[in-house]
Amino acid sequence: RKEVEQDPGPFNVPEGATVAFNCTYSNSASQSFFWYRQDCRKEPKLLMSVYSSGNEDGRFTAQLNRASQYISLLIRDSKLSDSATYLCVVNMYVGNQFYFGTGTSLTVIP
Amino acid sequence: NAGVTQTPKFRVLKTGQSMTLLCAQDMNHEYMYWYRQDPGMGLRLIHYSVGEGTTAKGEVPDGYNVSRLKKQNFLLGLESAAPSQTSVYFCASHLPTSGNTIYFGEGSWLTVV
Repeated sequence: RKEVEQDPGPFNVPEGATVAFNCTYSNSASQSFFWYRQDCRKEPKLLMSVYSSGNEDGRFTAQLNRASQYISLLIRDSKLSDSATYLCVVNMYVGNQFYFGTGTSLTVIP
Repeated sequence: NAGVTQTPKFRVLKTGQSMTLLCAQDMNHEYMYWYRQDPGMGLRLIHYSVGEGTTAKGEVPDGYNVSRLKKQNFLLGLESAAPSQTSVYFCASHLPTSGNTIYFGEGSWLTVV
Protein backbone atom coordinates (compact mmCIF):
# COMPACT_ATOMS: atom_id res chain seq x y z
CA ARG A 1 0.00 0.00 0.00
CA LYS A 2 1.33 3.47 -0.85
CA GLU A 3 2.16 5.78 2.02
CA VAL A 4 0.22 8.64 0.44
CA GLU A 5 -2.63 8.32 -2.02
CA GLN A 6 -4.30 10.98 -4.10
CA ASP A 7 -6.90 11.03 -6.82
CA PRO A 8 -4.82 11.85 -9.92
CA GLY A 9 -7.68 13.67 -11.62
CA PRO A 10 -7.56 15.46 -13.92
CA PHE A 11 -9.84 18.10 -12.55
CA ASN A 12 -11.03 20.53 -15.20
CA VAL A 13 -12.95 23.42 -13.69
CA PRO A 14 -14.15 26.81 -14.94
CA GLU A 15 -12.68 30.03 -13.63
CA GLY A 16 -14.29 31.06 -10.38
CA ALA A 17 -15.21 27.52 -9.36
CA THR A 18 -14.41 25.91 -6.03
CA VAL A 19 -12.47 22.67 -6.16
CA ALA A 20 -11.38 20.27 -3.43
CA PHE A 21 -8.65 17.66 -3.38
CA ASN A 22 -8.30 14.87 -0.87
CA CYS A 23 -5.35 12.79 0.14
CA THR A 24 -5.02 9.82 2.49
CA TYR A 25 -1.94 8.61 4.33
CA SER A 26 -1.31 5.17 5.73
CA ASN A 27 1.05 5.72 8.66
CA SER A 28 -0.54 7.10 11.80
CA ALA A 29 2.93 8.13 13.02
CA SER A 30 3.06 10.84 10.36
CA GLN A 31 3.85 14.19 11.92
CA SER A 32 3.86 16.98 9.36
CA PHE A 33 1.68 17.56 6.36
CA PHE A 34 1.97 19.80 3.34
CA TRP A 35 0.54 20.69 -0.01
CA TYR A 36 3.05 21.37 -2.75
CA ARG A 37 2.35 22.79 -6.17
CA GLN A 38 4.22 21.61 -9.26
CA ASP A 39 3.99 23.37 -12.59
CA CYS A 40 4.77 21.54 -15.81
CA ARG A 41 8.50 20.80 -16.09
CA LYS A 42 9.25 22.61 -12.85
CA GLU A 43 10.19 21.59 -9.36
CA PRO A 44 7.62 21.17 -6.57
CA LYS A 45 7.17 24.26 -4.43
CA LEU A 46 5.53 24.59 -1.05
CA LEU A 47 1.96 25.82 -1.28
CA MET A 48 1.10 25.52 2.38
CA SER A 49 1.63 23.48 5.49
CA VAL A 50 -1.37 21.74 6.99
CA TYR A 51 -2.07 22.16 10.67
CA SER A 52 -4.32 20.11 12.91
CA SER A 53 -6.71 23.01 13.46
CA GLY A 54 -6.95 23.70 9.73
CA ASN A 55 -5.47 26.76 8.09
CA GLU A 56 -6.22 29.22 5.37
CA ASP A 57 -4.06 31.24 3.02
CA GLY A 58 -6.11 33.53 0.85
CA ARG A 59 -8.24 31.37 -1.45
CA PHE A 60 -6.64 28.16 -0.19
CA THR A 61 -7.83 26.18 2.82
CA ALA A 62 -6.12 23.07 4.13
CA GLN A 63 -7.56 20.63 6.63
CA LEU A 64 -6.20 17.62 8.46
CA ASN A 65 -8.20 14.78 9.93
CA ARG A 66 -5.85 12.63 11.98
CA ALA A 67 -8.53 10.16 13.03
CA SER A 68 -9.36 9.32 9.42
CA GLN A 69 -5.83 10.00 8.17
CA TYR A 70 -6.74 12.35 5.40
CA ILE A 71 -5.76 15.80 4.27
CA SER A 72 -7.74 18.13 2.07
CA LEU A 73 -7.11 21.24 0.03
CA LEU A 74 -9.90 23.59 -0.99
CA ILE A 75 -9.36 26.23 -3.66
CA ARG A 76 -12.00 28.92 -3.92
CA ASP A 77 -12.56 31.28 -6.84
CA SER A 78 -10.19 29.34 -9.11
CA LYS A 79 -7.87 31.35 -11.34
CA LEU A 80 -6.24 30.30 -14.60
CA SER A 81 -2.91 30.55 -12.78
CA ASP A 82 -4.00 27.80 -10.37
CA SER A 83 -3.58 25.24 -13.16
CA ALA A 84 -0.88 22.88 -11.92
CA THR A 85 -0.37 19.54 -10.22
CA TYR A 86 -0.92 19.53 -6.46
CA LEU A 87 1.13 17.13 -4.39
CA CYS A 88 0.16 15.89 -0.96
CA VAL A 89 3.25 15.43 1.21
CA VAL A 90 3.64 13.71 4.55
CA ASN A 91 6.68 13.80 6.80
CA MET A 92 7.66 11.42 9.56
CA TYR A 93 10.18 12.67 12.07
CA VAL A 94 11.73 9.23 12.40
CA GLY A 95 14.36 9.26 9.66
CA ASN A 96 12.91 12.56 8.45
CA GLN A 97 11.40 10.93 5.44
CA PHE A 98 9.01 12.74 3.14
CA TYR A 99 6.35 10.78 1.30
CA PHE A 100 4.71 12.21 -1.78
CA GLY A 101 1.41 11.50 -3.41
CA THR A 102 1.44 11.11 -7.17
CA GLY A 103 -0.29 14.46 -7.52
CA THR A 104 -3.68 15.75 -8.62
CA SER A 105 -3.81 17.61 -11.90
CA LEU A 106 -5.92 20.77 -12.04
CA THR A 107 -6.76 22.74 -15.16
CA VAL A 108 -8.77 25.92 -14.79
CA ILE A 109 -10.65 26.73 -17.96
CA PRO A 110 -11.52 30.27 -19.09
CA ASN B 1 19.50 33.54 -3.04
CA ALA B 2 20.45 30.30 -4.83
CA GLY B 3 18.79 27.70 -2.55
CA VAL B 4 19.25 24.28 -4.18
CA THR B 5 21.13 24.14 -7.47
CA GLN B 6 21.41 21.11 -9.73
CA THR B 7 23.76 20.53 -12.64
CA PRO B 8 23.43 19.61 -15.42
CA LYS B 9 19.87 20.51 -16.26
CA PHE B 10 19.68 18.30 -19.36
CA ARG B 11 21.77 15.35 -20.45
CA VAL B 12 21.52 12.59 -23.02
CA LEU B 13 23.53 9.44 -22.33
CA LYS B 14 24.15 6.27 -24.25
CA THR B 15 23.43 2.97 -22.53
CA GLY B 16 26.41 1.95 -20.45
CA GLN B 17 27.86 5.44 -20.03
CA SER B 18 28.42 6.90 -16.60
CA MET B 19 27.67 10.35 -15.28
CA THR B 20 27.33 12.36 -12.08
CA LEU B 21 24.61 14.80 -11.13
CA LEU B 22 25.67 17.52 -8.74
CA CYS B 23 23.44 19.11 -6.14
CA ALA B 24 24.54 22.10 -4.11
CA GLN B 25 22.64 23.93 -1.38
CA ASP B 26 23.59 27.13 0.39
CA MET B 27 21.10 26.93 3.26
CA ASN B 28 23.31 24.90 5.63
CA HIS B 29 20.77 22.08 5.60
CA GLU B 30 21.71 18.77 7.19
CA TYR B 31 19.42 16.56 5.14
CA MET B 32 19.70 16.11 1.40
CA TYR B 33 17.75 13.84 -0.91
CA TRP B 34 17.75 12.59 -4.48
CA TYR B 35 14.39 11.74 -6.04
CA ARG B 36 13.32 10.61 -9.46
CA GLN B 37 9.95 11.50 -10.92
CA ASP B 38 8.28 9.41 -13.60
CA PRO B 39 4.78 9.79 -15.10
CA GLY B 40 2.16 8.22 -12.85
CA MET B 41 4.75 7.24 -10.24
CA GLY B 42 5.23 10.44 -8.31
CA LEU B 43 8.48 11.28 -6.57
CA ARG B 44 10.49 8.27 -5.46
CA LEU B 45 13.44 8.50 -3.12
CA ILE B 46 16.70 7.15 -4.52
CA HIS B 47 19.21 7.95 -1.76
CA TYR B 48 19.43 10.44 1.02
CA SER B 49 21.90 11.86 3.50
CA VAL B 50 21.40 13.03 7.06
CA GLY B 51 24.74 14.80 7.24
CA GLU B 52 28.22 15.17 5.83
CA GLY B 53 29.85 11.81 5.26
CA THR B 54 26.64 9.77 5.65
CA THR B 55 24.31 8.32 3.02
CA ALA B 56 21.45 5.85 3.03
CA LYS B 57 19.33 4.00 0.50
CA GLY B 58 15.85 5.09 -0.35
CA GLU B 59 13.04 3.33 -2.16
CA VAL B 60 14.76 2.86 -5.55
CA PRO B 61 18.56 2.83 -5.02
CA ASP B 62 19.61 0.19 -7.56
CA GLY B 63 21.89 1.49 -10.29
CA TYR B 64 22.79 4.66 -8.40
CA ASN B 65 25.49 5.70 -5.97
CA VAL B 66 25.84 8.86 -3.92
CA SER B 67 28.42 10.77 -1.95
CA ARG B 68 28.24 13.59 0.57
CA LEU B 69 31.84 14.65 1.10
CA LYS B 70 30.86 18.23 1.91
CA LYS B 71 27.74 19.35 3.74
CA GLN B 72 26.61 21.57 0.90
CA ASN B 73 27.02 19.02 -1.89
CA PHE B 74 25.26 15.75 -2.66
CA LEU B 75 26.35 13.85 -5.76
CA LEU B 76 24.31 11.23 -7.58
CA GLY B 77 26.21 8.84 -9.82
CA LEU B 78 25.07 6.47 -12.52
CA GLU B 79 27.82 3.93 -13.11
CA SER B 80 26.32 2.25 -16.19
CA ALA B 81 23.27 4.07 -17.46
CA ALA B 82 20.22 2.09 -18.60
CA PRO B 83 17.14 3.28 -20.53
CA SER B 84 15.07 2.61 -17.38
CA GLN B 85 16.96 5.48 -15.75
CA THR B 86 15.48 7.98 -18.18
CA SER B 87 13.71 10.32 -15.80
CA VAL B 88 13.62 13.71 -14.16
CA TYR B 89 15.85 13.87 -11.11
CA PHE B 90 15.22 16.28 -8.27
CA CYS B 91 17.56 17.08 -5.46
CA ALA B 92 16.12 18.44 -2.25
CA SER B 93 17.32 19.65 1.11
CA HIS B 94 15.76 20.03 4.50
CA LEU B 95 16.49 21.37 7.95
CA PRO B 96 14.12 19.88 10.52
CA THR B 97 14.18 22.95 12.74
CA SER B 98 13.16 25.42 10.04
CA GLY B 99 9.46 24.74 9.56
CA ASN B 100 10.11 21.24 8.34
CA THR B 101 9.87 22.36 4.72
CA ILE B 102 11.71 20.53 1.98
CA TYR B 103 13.25 22.61 -0.81
CA PHE B 104 13.84 21.34 -4.32
CA GLY B 105 16.30 22.08 -7.06
CA GLU B 106 15.01 22.82 -10.55
CA GLY B 107 15.46 19.27 -11.76
CA SER B 108 17.77 17.42 -14.13
CA TRP B 109 16.28 15.85 -17.24
CA LEU B 110 18.17 12.68 -18.15
CA THR B 111 17.58 10.60 -21.26
CA VAL B 112 19.36 7.29 -21.77
CA VAL B 113 19.30 5.99 -25.33
